Amino acid sequence: DQQVKQNSPSLSVQEGRISILNCDYTNSMFDYFLWYKKYPAEGPTFLISISSIKDKNEDGRFTVFLNKSAKHLSLHIVPSQPGDSAVYFCAARAYNTDKLIFGTGTRLQVFP
Amino acid sequence: KAGVTQTPRYLIKTRGQQVTLSCSPISGHRSVSWYQQTPGQGLQFLFEYFSETQRNKGNFPGRFSGRQFSNSRSEMNVSTLELGDSALYLCASSLQSSYNEQFFGPGTRLTVL
Repeated sequence: DQQVKQNSPSLSVQEGRISILNCDYTNSMFDYFLWYKKYPAEGPTFLISISSIKDKNEDGRFTVFLNKSAKHLSLHIVPSQPGDSAVYFCAARAYNTDKLIFGTGTRLQVFP
Repeated sequence: KAGVTQTPRYLIKTRGQQVTLSCSPISGHRSVSWYQQTPGQGLQFLFEYFSETQRNKGNFPGRFSGRQFSNSRSEMNVSTLELGDSALYLCASSLQSSYNEQFFGPGTRLTVL
């Protein structure tokens, strides 16, 4: 039972354009959401997070949007850069547990 | 400050064997979590250790076990290896729990033949 879903396994975007990565979840007890970026041969690194009491969080070129009614969150990268090419994982945590539940990842490729 | 280190980085085993993977967390971090990453499945949570005690556990069979030492270093053991155990095993450390930022190691790539 995949509680956190990233339905797009890959995404290709031109440099300078916006990248939008999507994530859906099924567990209404999730109250904290995170995005991680992973380069080959490295572990995932934390990118940005959002609490369920907010609907938007911004950090430089990265913005995460949360739509609780739709159980959907998205990561926007503007403008996209070739160095953003990586696998992006969204993750969620329920308020009554310390466990992080990860999605299956979306491979983003930013081309010149 | 040194990051999370995992050893070995690559491992090849055959079916039926057992394997032990090691993780050294960032100094001062007391929580260590283990994940299995396979294509199409993302990162699947295995277990979390804090102060030498398993605090959380994922939905993996009993062949997967772990432990944590007094210096917070952690080991993960998989017995009676199956072909499906081939994966990247990632370790993450945090100060107290996943409510603190988790820092991941580079992972151990296990191949079961």
